[in-house]
Amino acid sequence: EAGVAQSPRYKIIEKRQSVAFWCNPISGHATLYWYQQILGQGPKLLIQFQNNGVVDDSQLPKDRFSAERLKGVDSTLKIQPAKLEDSAVYLCASSLLALYYEQYFGPGTRLTVT
Amino acid sequence: GENVEQHPSTLSVQEGDSAVIKCTYSDSASNYFPWYKQELGKRPQLIIDIRSNVGEKKDQRIAVTLNKTAKHFSLHITETQPEDSAVYFCAASKAESSGGSYIPTFGRGTSLIVHP
Repeated sequence: EAGVAQSPRYKIIEKRQSVAFWCNPISGHATLYWYQQILGQGPKLLIQFQNNGVVDDSQLPKDRFSAERLKGVDSTLKIQPAKLEDSAVYLCASSLLALYYEQYFGPGTRLTVT
Repeated sequence: GENVEQHPSTLSVQEGDSAVIKCTYSDSASNYFPWYKQELGKRPQLIIDIRSNVGEKKDQRIAVTLNKTAKHFSLHITETQPEDSAVYFCAASKAESSGGSYIPTFGRGTSLIVHP
């Protein structure tokens, strides 16, 4: 089966600019996650979708970050405006359902904010 | 919210030795504990997981133990090999209020180095 796809793989922007990341989960996976992984740290959950509904976005900085999964399949994560501290790898993951089901991670998007 | 502490941050062993990585969590409602391996520049991959109704689980050279009373769980790798070198992350997860999904919190990771 095809894995989780993400694009772009790398992005360099200046602070205060905007950026968007795209994720295509494994076909049939209802649950989709966006994580932020800062160098040397574990993934931090930003937002979790179940189909096209948000399950948890308590750690999403909503003043600058937004995410959507309109048709319950693909998802986009946007940052506007970006700050230096947003430099990280943004990982998308999906799972068939939720509890007890393995999460499959995408390759990630490495964002550098200068 | 949940807080997961992971130790050590770096672990260096000789090939063939055992390696143990420990995690503690704060939220007694957490009931699912996966471990992920992340090789340099690659995505995290699940290597083993354990549910709260089980105290130990083994898969070949890898085992995980869980002590719910003490709120800690550990990863044990026996007969380590150079290809085991990677960053390992623990996570603690609990079902969200409606029971439809689970919310994972990751530890900061342990860099395991296995010397040939």
